[in-house]
Amino acid sequence: AQKITQTQPGMFVQEKEAVTLDCTYDTSDPSYGLFWYKQPSSGEMIFLIYQGSYDQQNATEGRYSLNFQKARKSANLVISASQLGDSAMYFCAMRDNTGGFKTIFGAGTRLFVKA
Amino acid sequence: NAGVTQTPKFQVLKTGQSMTLQCAQDMNHNSMYWYRQDPGMGLRLIYYSASEGTTDKGEVPNGYNVSRLNKREFSLRLESAAPSQTSVYFCASSTPRSNYGYTFGSGTRLTVV
Repeated sequence: AQKITQTQPGMFVQEKEAVTLDCTYDTSDPSYGLFWYKQPSSGEMIFLIYQGSYDQQNATEGRYSLNFQKARKSANLVISASQLGDSAMYFCAMRDNTGGFKTIFGAGTRLFVKA
Repeated sequence: NAGVTQTPKFQVLKTGQSMTLQCAQDMNHNSMYWYRQDPGMGLRLIYYSASEGTTDKGEVPNGYNVSRLNKREFSLRLESAAPSQTSVYFCASSTPRSNYGYTFGSGTRLTVV
């Protein structure tokens, strides 16, 4: 069965510093997709970044990068130059490639950015 | 461009009451999903619809039914609400153009008393 694990319930980071949010996954499928979503205190879910299982290079989107280590089955999110607005809940997620392309989510990591 | 619209945003039900959560998307996406979010548990899939005319159970379907009314609309029904169904419900849609990444609705906060 597929599984996503986020072991950090909460993280603190100083403004302008970088932070890494951990994510490990488990699947027996050779083809899958990995996502990170942000949920601010307002409650909406915002897509941040995507990594395909066959992608050779790590995905980047502005200040977000995904450190993809396929052999270790890890997909850590790196946020560079943290901003106060980065304070939010962050979810790692994995999409399967069976019918429906449904996605499973980790329990989330709450990030606090300190001024 | 509204994206995914969910109604209502808030609802309080008494145990045993029924209600339907509405979801509509205007992005011509084939796939739609209903999730519930509970503290410490991330989002869990209730039902999904890979395409118009099909629906399938997710991880936690008990106590819910769905209808894919047309390509745009995917509703979630609670026939007899229970306190265990107190949660935040999210509707989402996806397309291969975005690698099946989700566009989410704004969520419905449901309390069953």
